Amino acid sequence: AQKVTQAQTEISVVEKEDVTLDCVYETRDTTYYLFWYKQPPSGELVFLIRRNSFDEQNEISGRYSWNFQKSTSSFNFTITASQVVDSAVYFCALSEARRGAQKLVFGQGTRLTINP
Amino acid sequence: DTGVSQDPRHKITKRGQNVTFRCDPISEHNRLYWYRQTLGQGPEFLTYFQNEAQLEKSRLLSDRFSAERPKGSFSTLEIQRTEQGDSAMYLCASSLEMYYEQYFGPGTRLTVT
Repeated sequence: AQKVTQAQTEISVVEKEDVTLDCVYETRDTTYYLFWYKQPPSGELVFLIRRNSFDEQNEISGRYSWNFQKSTSSFNFTITASQVVDSAVYFCALSEARRGAQKLVFGQGTRLTINP
Repeated sequence: DTGVSQDPRHKITKRGQNVTFRCDPISEHNRLYWYRQTLGQGPEFLTYFQNEAQLEKSRLLSDRFSAERPKGSFSTLEIQRTEQGDSAMYLCASSLEMYYEQYFGPGTRLTVT
């Protein structure tokens, strides 16, 4: 069975600090996708990134970066120079890559609070 | 650019009543998903459609729940004889078949009293 664990329930930092959100996953599939979503106070889940299991290259998008390590089954998310607008609940998710099964399995989320 | 829309945004109902939610996906997306999210938890998969075909249902989807997607466009999720445990946010998402990002709607928050 697939499982995603986000051990950090809540994180609180002061603006401009760097913060890393951890994600550990379990799957028996050799081909799978990993995702990060942001859920701001408004409630709508916002897609941030998709990664496939064959691509372990780290990715940077502005202040956001992602570190995928297959050896440790981790897909961590770092926000550099955090801003108050980054305050949200962040979810890591996993899906199989077979065409007929694309349901997302989510972690429990990490509530990130950026204090001014 | 229209995203996924859901209606209603909020629904309060009494235990035992039936409720129906609607989801309109992004127009060119042929896959549509329903998830349920309770307070403090991540979304849990309920069911998904490819065009009008319902291809997978979670064990969470008891026989009181039914979902349809006639003509492969909008979808409805109906809950019959609601129970207090059905209180949750019901999320709809859609995606293109060849891609794996699911784009979510704003959700319908159901409160069963």
